[in-house]
Amino acid sequence: GAVVSQHPSWVICKSGTSVKIECRSLDFQATTMFWYRQFPKQSLMLMATSNEGSKATYEQGVEKDKFLINHASLTLSTLTVTSAHPEDSSFYICSASLRRDPYEQYFGPGTRLTVT
Amino acid sequence: GQNIDQPTEMTATEGAIVQINCTYQTSGFNGLFWYQQHAGEAPTFLSYNVLDGLEEKGRFSSFLSRSKGYSYLLLKELQMKDSASYLCAVRPAAGNKLTFGGGTRVLVKP
Repeated sequence: GAVVSQHPSWVICKSGTSVKIECRSLDFQATTMFWYRQFPKQSLMLMATSNEGSKATYEQGVEKDKFLINHASLTLSTLTVTSAHPEDSSFYICSASLRRDPYEQYFGPGTRLTVT
Repeated sequence: GQNIDQPTEMTATEGAIVQINCTYQTSGFNGLFWYQQHAGEAPTFLSYNVLDGLEEKGRFSSFLSRSKGYSYLLLKELQMKDSASYLCAVRPAAGNKLTFGGGTRVLVKP
């Protein structure tokens, strides 16, 4: 149980276009979903926390108008990278958590975004 | 603020033991996680410590000392497939978001 999927697994887009990444909890309802970004040979950096039906909470330094997060249901959250630039190229990972102790996060397989 | 430190890289021999240290200074503490991450893949959960002491799970063990702000992950009987990055993450007292350390890349050699 506790499987999280992401779609697409990889995407290449042109500079200036927008890209949407989906994160789904397949066999459970996720009270909270998290979006991370990971650059090569670096650790995960939390971008934002989203709860179903409410606005996402962004970490300091993350542009909320550039990285749009929609958490429309308890099983789906989307991250849209708007007006993508080459520096947005990264590995984007989502995770989901249940309302239970120890609030373990279940990670999706990640989405590799390359902006040309 | 949050500060979590781990060594950047470690090398060990197949069949040996490796200990990965993690020190943290955070504004609150409500648990420490260890994750394994292979290149290009998502992290997978290894262990969780919230009380002081040693948690053993097969070949992997994790230790926590809250008074010292210190944890380690012990990998025994190393296998080639254990070559990966190991991430230490702390959950602050409020909420359930995690703050990750920089990760330790472990290379297992034959």
